[in-house]
Amino acid sequence: DAKTTQPPSMDCAEGRAANLPCNHSTISGNEYVYWYRQIHSQGPQYIIHGLKNNETNEMASLIITEDRKSSTLILPHATLRDTAVYYCIVRRTTTSGTYKYIFGTGTRLKVLA
Amino acid sequence: NAGVMQNPRHLVRRRGQEARLRCSPMKGHSHVYWYRQLPEEGLKFMVYLQKENIIDESGMPKERFSAEFPKEGPSILRIQQVVRGDSAAYFCASSPPGFGGNEQYFGPGTRLTVT
Repeated sequence: DAKTTQPPSMDCAEGRAANLPCNHSTISGNEYVYWYRQIHSQGPQYIIHGLKNNETNEMASLIITEDRKSSTLILPHATLRDTAVYYCIVRRTTTSGTYKYIFGTGTRLKVLA
Repeated sequence: NAGVMQNPRHLVRRRGQEARLRCSPMKGHSHVYWYRQLPEEGLKFMVYLQKENIIDESGMPKERFSAEFPKEGPSILRIQQVVRGDSAAYFCASSPPGFGGNEQYFGPGTRLTVT
């Protein structure tokens, strides 16, 4: 299974950009990178996903390196409510053609006032 | 449009009892996934179901655990003869029809405590 590696924790000042890195050096060509976050042990919340190109939505931007071995999630203006555990996930296609999320241990982001 | 619903939110069982966890997917979703999360760890995939079919159960323990998603009603994760090591948060997710769908939408989880 494609494995992701993330720093265990990061701090970010409120109002500043939070850049969360993820290493997925064993990713296969057809595997997507997804980002979710989990606030206070609630159910994970979808943020963004991508395959090769950089992506942006109302929550965040996703930058994927050209070799696809790593990516960075960018929260452009972090707020206190962005304090959460952020998971970088590789969506693996199984031999039967279905999808499976492989979660890592995540990065605990603390946004500081 | 209600989100994914799980009940109960908290469940306490004594060792040896059975635990039944329910998951109602989002309206229109036909794919259900179950995950387990131990304290301070990420989510671990357990099983993927479509209506009346188990598609992938590669993450399910071979004994005591079973899952179903009947034609009518919620998906059920059943743990027989619970042990203390089963204490965890169990999350259900759903996704729309199509081959696996895109993003998964997670429920609030059921926290199982085995005493």
